[in-house]
Amino acid sequence: EVQLVESGGGLVQPGGSLRLSCAASGFTFSSYSMNWVRQAPGKGLEWVSYIFSTTTAIYYADSVKGRFTISRDNAKNSLSLQMNSLRDEDSGIYYCARDQTAGFNTQAFAIWGQGTMVTVSS
Amino acid sequence: DVQMTQSPSTLSASVGDRVTITCRASQSISTWLAWYQQKPGKAPKLLIYKASSLESGVPSRFSGSGSGTEFTLTISSLQPDDFATYYCQQYNSYWTFGQGTKVEIK
Repeated sequence: EVQLVESGGGLVQPGGSLRLSCAASGFTFSSYSMNWVRQAPGKGLEWVSYIFSTTTAIYYADSVKGRFTISRDNAKNSLSLQMNSLRDEDSGIYYCARDQTAGFNTQAFAIWGQGTMVTVSS
Repeated sequence: DVQMTQSPSTLSASVGDRVTITCRASQSISTWLAWYQQKPGKAPKLLIYKASSLESGVPSRFSGSGSGTEFTLTISSLQPDDFATYYCQQYNSYWTFGQGTKVEIK
């Protein structure tokens, strides 16, 4: 079964740091680009970051650029998001999502994890 | 940046109704558009990609159309399982989601 499972969410104070992880299974992780998408409480979806299968291309939304770092370990089938200098507006559910097919062109997101909740509050 | 605008924000409909949701892009995105369905407490689910291609396993009552800047998602006969929030997403230039359309029971 193709599956993504996020972990690492929690409560953190403004200015603090948190590291999210996403464990992949059921497919050849090293062949697919991956993404992080977030959803503030009661709000819509916001793309956060992208990483190509071989890490040769990495992109960030302007709202997180310079504060968040995406990475992956293809040997461990794992995706990560290091979040620093967290703000109240970073609160929400963070989903990892897999591109629809293996390749470099931008794609829709066919596989999603269940999400992990991040709360930034003092 | 490409902005995506959905309408309406909320739609009240009955089982069996034909439902149409519109998504407009701030600039041409060709057919690089996807539609997702999200139910409360669940992750989004891909329904349509490349504007009109049905994702595997998605019921044929869902269809998409459009190109350039204007797109539609149509549900031909609304079923009880379809009451949810729907999002469009462009993937022509990075990725941007619309604000969502909640389909509720009339």
